[in-house]
Amino acid sequence: ELKVEQNPLFLSMQEGKNYTIYCNYSTTSDRLYWYRQDPGKSLESLFVLLSNGAVKQEGRLMASLDTKARLSTLHITAAVHDLSATYFCAFQGGSEKLVFGKGTKLTVNP
Amino acid sequence: NAGVTQTPKFQVLKTGQSMTLQCAQDMNHEYMSWYRQDPGMGLRLIHYSVGAGITDQGEVPNGYNVSRSTTEDFPLRLLSAAPSQTSVYFCATSLGSQYQPQHFGDGTRLSIL
Repeated sequence: ELKVEQNPLFLSMQEGKNYTIYCNYSTTSDRLYWYRQDPGKSLESLFVLLSNGAVKQEGRLMASLDTKARLSTLHITAAVHDLSATYFCAFQGGSEKLVFGKGTKLTVNP
Repeated sequence: NAGVTQTPKFQVLKTGQSMTLQCAQDMNHEYMSWYRQDPGMGLRLIHYSVGAGITDQGEVPNGYNVSRSTTEDFPLRLLSAAPSQTSVYFCATSLGSQYQPQHFGDGTRLSIL
């Protein structure tokens, strides 16, 4: 069974601080996705990670993938209030089907 | 370019009623899927389709039917609504390549009394 474990589920940060969200998955996959969801809104694609060692950065967010450890991370640098949202990781285990983590609700406080 | 359009945006049903949630896309994407989102559960796949005429079950298919007669449309049918089906439903599409992210619609918020 394909499983994704995301932690923490809730994260409260101060502006300017750094933190990392972790995403572990249960089977071999070289396709890992990160999405952002604002309250009451749809999901927006942030990153697509397609190979071991892949690293992608957009602004204050950086995502990485370690397929051997079955781990992806989303690192937040110098957080700002606009980053407050729920972040989901999802992976594909050999088909088009996506398996999502439960999400990390990030709150950035002034 | 509308992308992925879901209708209705909100719906309240009584237990036992049936209804169809609509999903239409204008991006010529082969892959379409339906998810439900419940608090603390993330998104769970209900049904998906890899092309017109082809559908398959996801993680939580019971109580839902789908069909795919055209590339553009992928309706989700609730046969006899139950309170446990109260949720936010998202339709998503992708090109069909296994390396493309899925594009999500705005969602349908469904309450069943």
